[in-house]
Amino acid sequence: AQTVTQSQPEMSVQEAETVTLSCTYDTSESNYYLFWYKQPPSRQMILVIRQEAYKQQNATENRFSVNFQKAAKSFSLKISDSQLGDTAMYFCAFLEAGSYQLTFGKGTKLSVIP
Amino acid sequence: DAEITQSPRHKITETGRQVTLACHQTWNHNNMFWYRQDLGHGLRLIHYSYGVHDTNKGEVSDGYSVSRSNTEDLPLTLESAASSQTSVYFCASSETTISSEAFFGQGTRLTVV
Repeated sequence: AQTVTQSQPEMSVQEAETVTLSCTYDTSESNYYLFWYKQPPSRQMILVIRQEAYKQQNATENRFSVNFQKAAKSFSLKISDSQLGDTAMYFCAFLEAGSYQLTFGKGTKLSVIP
Repeated sequence: DAEITQSPRHKITETGRQVTLACHQTWNHNNMFWYRQDLGHGLRLIHYSYGVHDTNKGEVSDGYSVSRSNTEDLPLTLESAASSQTSVYFCASSETTISSEAFFGQGTRLTVV
């Protein structure tokens, strides 16, 4: 079974600064997908970014980018120019190709400080 | 616009009562999932379905059941509610394609007293 570990239960960052959220995973599979989801206080789960394991290039979505290190099984999320609206719980998730079931980490609560 | 909706948004029930949480999606997705979210545990999979009349147990299925009689709905039933089932419940759906994004409902906060 796959496991996803987020070692930082809480983090804070000053507005306009950059912050990196850590995620490691354990799997014996070679074909899989990784995701970061954002959950603001509204409770809605919002997909932030997705990475295919077979792609070496790190995914980027505007101010959000990942550092995917396949050999190290690491998938960190970098948020640049942090905004107050980035305050949320962030979940790292793993998807084995063909299984359709997401495995989530325990989450990191990010607070952006004005 | 297609969406996935859960009802109710909040519910308080008593120990021992049967409770059903509704999930309805208009994406026409074959895959549907129920997760529970608890502090310090993230989201854990309760049950899932890959199509009509298909249901499967997830990581934390004890005390829960689901049925899939059509594509749109996957109700989650707590047979005899327990205080340990106080949680926030999320329904999700996805297409049957590799790396398909999962779309989530807004969650149901259930309190068992």
